[in-house]
Amino acid sequence: DSGVTQTPKHLITATGQRVTLRCSPRSGDLSVYWYQQSLDQGLQFLIQYYNGEERAKGNILERFSAQQFPDLHSELNLSSLELGDSALYFCASSAGLQGTLGKNIQYFGAGTRLSVL
Amino acid sequence: GDSVTQMEGPVTLSEEAFLTINCTYTATGYPSLFWYVQYPGEGLQLLLKATKADDKGSNKGFEATYRKETTSFHLEKGSVQVSDSAVYFCALADGYQKVTFGTGTKLQVIP
Repeated sequence: DSGVTQTPKHLITATGQRVTLRCSPRSGDLSVYWYQQSLDQGLQFLIQYYNGEERAKGNILERFSAQQFPDLHSELNLSSLELGDSALYFCASSAGLQGTLGKNIQYFGAGTRLSVL
Repeated sequence: GDSVTQMEGPVTLSEEAFLTINCTYTATGYPSLFWYVQYPGEGLQLLLKATKADDKGSNKGFEATYRKETTSFHLEKGSVQVSDSAVYFCALADGYQKVTFGTGTKLQVIP
């Protein structure tokens, strides 16, 4: 058990809908990362938050957004869903001190499997 | 930008065979290097790491050495088991938390 909790485990929805994925990081971790894993594009970094602030952005679509709350949990919002958004979405957390080498270990949750029909 | 290149899979081996999964990287500065493993139906788990040149990471019989001169971090195991069947991801992290993953290499071990 990595200590990172993601809910729900599975989500089935229709095109055009909006969903919210939730992530609780490991106790004490300040950084949260979101990834999308699909068969055709592999594991892609979406976005990172550190202590409530956006820190880095990857290949995140404009239809997607995220936030990190004061209790450090994070939500990934996906809107106007398309068939191609079907994927596994992972959250990871780390202790996250900027510029501190060797502390960049990310611990992953089990993922949320999103199916858009 | 940073990048990680892994050998394409799937890799199919018989039990007790020797495993090598190649990984090379491109990065500015001095990244930390990692191998993650993803078992079927699960999230990624950190397998091993190395934070500076010539460091050797090891765990569960797997090893990888950080080679700065060849920008490589190849994963090896002397004798694989069926339970090692999984997808293995090489990754690097810069000093600012950004992690770049390789595309993953699927390993299948047959009895």
